[in-house]
Amino acid sequence: AQSVTQPDIHITVSEGASLELRCNYSYGATPYLFWYVQSPGQGLQLLLKYFSGDTLVQGIKGFEAEFKRSQSSFNLRKPSVHWSDAAEYFCAVGAAGGGNKLTFGTGTQLKVEL
Amino acid sequence: DVKVTQSSRYLVKRTGEKVFLECVQDMDHENMFWYRQDPGLGLRLIYFSYDVKMKEKGDIPEGYSVSREKKERFSLILESASTNQTSMYLCASSLSGRQGDPSNYGYTFGSGTRLTVV
Repeated sequence: AQSVTQPDIHITVSEGASLELRCNYSYGATPYLFWYVQSPGQGLQLLLKYFSGDTLVQGIKGFEAEFKRSQSSFNLRKPSVHWSDAAEYFCAVGAAGGGNKLTFGTGTQLKVEL
Repeated sequence: DVKVTQSSRYLVKRTGEKVFLECVQDMDHENMFWYRQDPGLGLRLIYFSYDVKMKEKGDIPEGYSVSREKKERFSLILESASTNQTSMYLCASSLSGRQGDPSNYGYTFGSGTRLTVV
């Protein structure tokens, strides 16, 4: 069965600093990987996704993520964080077929200090 | 531009009531999902559906049922609401493997329904 681990429950960064949110997955074959962001009281919005090809993927709002098969990781990065990036971030893993059901991590809450 | 609509943002129900949470999508997606979200537990899958009148149990189906009579609508039913079902409920939809390029996969979420059972 597929699973996702987000080891950091809370992260605090200063505005303008760089950000890296960690995600480790467990899946037998090549996974489909996703990062979603959730603002308070809202649903989840897709930031970026990886299916195949280039292991560095670009997303919306200046985010990027790198797929590293050897480390079973898909970490999310941003060079310079803005106060509006404060939110909860979820990593998810899925596979083709099976209804494209996704398994989500428990989330990382990002706080941005001004 | 709204694509997945959940009928209520906030709902307060009494213990023992039958509760209906409605979700409608306008993207012609075959797959629809219901999750509940609780602090520290992330998103947990309750039920999902691959097609009209089809349903599959997720990881935590106990105390819930679903209905999908039309492709665009997926309803979550709490047969007899209990206080431990107080939670944020999220509906999502997605393309299926038959509907196109894998690069289009991924969920589109509704804004969520925060249900409180008292």
